Amino acid sequence: DVKVTQSSRYLVKRTGEKVFLECVQDMDHENMFWYRQDPGLGLRLIYFSYDVKMKEKGDIPEGYSVSREKKERFSLILESASTNQTSMYLCASSAATGGGYTFGSGTRLTVV
Amino acid sequence: AQSVTQPDIHITVSEGASLELRCNYSYGATPYLFWYVQSPGQGLQLLLKYFSGDTLVQGIKGFEAEFKRSQSSFNLRKPSVHWSDAAEYFCAVATLYNTDKLIFGTGTRLQVFP
Repeated sequence: DVKVTQSSRYLVKRTGEKVFLECVQDMDHENMFWYRQDPGLGLRLIYFSYDVKMKEKGDIPEGYSVSREKKERFSLILESASTNQTSMYLCASSAATGGGYTFGSGTRLTVV
Repeated sequence: AQSVTQPDIHITVSEGASLELRCNYSYGATPYLFWYVQSPGQGLQLLLKYFSGDTLVQGIKGFEAEFKRSQSSFNLRKPSVHWSDAAEYFCAVATLYNTDKLIFGTGTRLQVFP
């Protein structure tokens, strides 16, 4: 069964901490994405990557960075966590030929 | 710029009733169209997609969607809703020039009463 795996389902971090959210896919997909989901705002794209070591800013990249050292892994980094980054974070991947995304189960991050 | 509108934030239906969730898009050409479902606390699961051809698309869990070019719509339907269909539903589009990047609507939350 093809999968996108997010390392944590729930995470609680303190303000100012550096936070790493990990995402691994086993489908050999070229494209990977990070979204955050907030009530009433839908899914907002933070960063995406079309290839290893490549990254592109999405709609709301401020306060975040990403790393893609290997094709299967795409990490989202909160450099200094703040309470307004409390959210559900969703990772997704897709093939270069398109066809839609496969999503992970999400990480619910709470920053206190 | 391309956009997706789901005009209904919240819909409530009785179990066994029919369902239609609306989706409208803004794009000059025919886009690629998708419907996803998200159960509480979960990621999104692909229900169905339309690229070309027959405008009525069948998906998983008994759902179907119809692409209407004249109305720029891609509405999701199910003839008889089950309690397990309670979830949030997202419509998404991708353009021919950027098939890798989906644009999502803000979602419709479906509540099902017994």
